[in-house]
Amino acid sequence: EVQLVESGGGLVQPGGSLRLSCAVSGVTFSTGWMTWVRQAPGKGLEWVANIKPDGSEKHYVDSVKGRFTISRDNAKNSLYLQMNSLRAEDTAVYYCARDLSWSLGYWGQGTLVTVSS
Amino acid sequence: QSALTQPPSASGSPGQSVTISCTGTSSDVGAYNYVSWYQQHPGKAPKLIIYEVNERPSGVPDRFSGSKSGNTASLTVSGLQAEDEADYYCSSYAGYNIQWVFGGGTKLTVL
Repeated sequence: EVQLVESGGGLVQPGGSLRLSCAVSGVTFSTGWMTWVRQAPGKGLEWVANIKPDGSEKHYVDSVKGRFTISRDNAKNSLYLQMNSLRAEDTAVYYCARDLSWSLGYWGQGTLVTVSS
Repeated sequence: QSALTQPPSASGSPGQSVTISCTGTSSDVGAYNYVSWYQQHPGKAPKLIIYEVNERPSGVPDRFSGSKSGNTASLTVSGLQAEDEADYYCSSYAGYNIQWVFGGGTKLTVL
């Protein structure tokens, strides 16, 4: 069974930092693109960032460029999202997902990030 | 990065068919056959139901089908069942610089 388990969410003040983690099992982690998607409360899905299997290529949505950093550790089957300079508009449930034929085939249950003073 | 355009709501009675549209541009939906659809029940993670325009992952009922014409993709749910009531999101690859875009989502109600 494929499992993706996010952790690291919580309440943080504006301007603060958080590091999200995603532990993957049941599928070969090192061969797939990995993605972070977020969903603000009551809103739709927003693609945030993705990373190539070997970590050599990373992409970000414009609103997080320069503030968020995606990374992975293939030896630990883990994906990360370092989030700095957090803003109220970053408040959302953050999902990690693994690719399946040019789509997001496997999703975690999500972790809630709340940016508020 | 502009979102794809979906109707906010759709509805149908059990047993009927409903089609949800997803309109993009010649830079995303129109340019690539990498349109996917996701089903999300309240409080749950999204689930992939269609990839590469019209392919179904293992375990997804054949009541779900996808298509594309020009810059518009569509998801059709045939033989509506109560458990199909959920939010549906489309997504498309949009090239190297933008990567992926989502639609705003469509809430499907089974009457």
